Amino acid sequence: RKEVEQDPGPFNVPEGATVAFNCTYSNSASQSFFWYRQDCRKEPKLLMSVYSSGNEDGRFTAQLNRASQYISLLIRDSKLSDSATYLCVVIPGSYKAAGNKLTFGGGTRVLVKP
Amino acid sequence: DTAVSQTPKYLVTQMGNDKSIKCEQNLGHDTMYWYKQDSKKFLKIMFSYNNKELIINETVPNRFSPKSPDKAHLNLHINSLELGDSAVYFCASSQDGNRGPYEQYFGPGTRLTVT
Repeated sequence: RKEVEQDPGPFNVPEGATVAFNCTYSNSASQSFFWYRQDCRKEPKLLMSVYSSGNEDGRFTAQLNRASQYISLLIRDSKLSDSATYLCVVIPGSYKAAGNKLTFGGGTRVLVKP
Repeated sequence: DTAVSQTPKYLVTQMGNDKSIKCEQNLGHDTMYWYKQDSKKFLKIMFSYNNKELIINETVPNRFSPKSPDKAHLNLHINSLELGDSAVYFCASSQDGNRGPYEQYFGPGTRLTVT
């Protein structure tokens, strides 16, 4: 089983719609979770960290479910510029033990269409 | 005023050659990383250095050797290049990785093609 698994998509989303997707992680001791965004042929960039209580940043909402070991990302009112690959990222175990090592999922591709 | 820069951006070379990729960050960060993104788009950590000290050394062939002359630079040297080394290599940096799960800032990537 991969450490971090994601549905590769693509998720074809009409502009203005809501889209949500999950990722699962295998290491139950993981404490740090993130969503990164990667545009085509570009570097990954941090979209948001994921906190235990869930967090929201504008149109983006991230949730963590420790019991089921998954995190989710919801995008409301999708814009054309949201088209990208969303990478689920986990630090396996504690950041100190893991040396702040990021473990990436394979990414979920989102295509927002007019 | 690029935060994390890599050179070269593209590298095409033949099997068996030795090549280097350079990375520099001007963010004042203590920790730097090398990641490899293969053709299936999976990003995997290769190495990390904290204040010039090797912290992470994943299962990477010993043909790959990182070198950190100072904490602002982390170079990657690859000996005897193989076809399977073709990938995009990303450098990244963060504040001290021993003190927190800090955001990592990625360079633009070096697209290596081995023919």
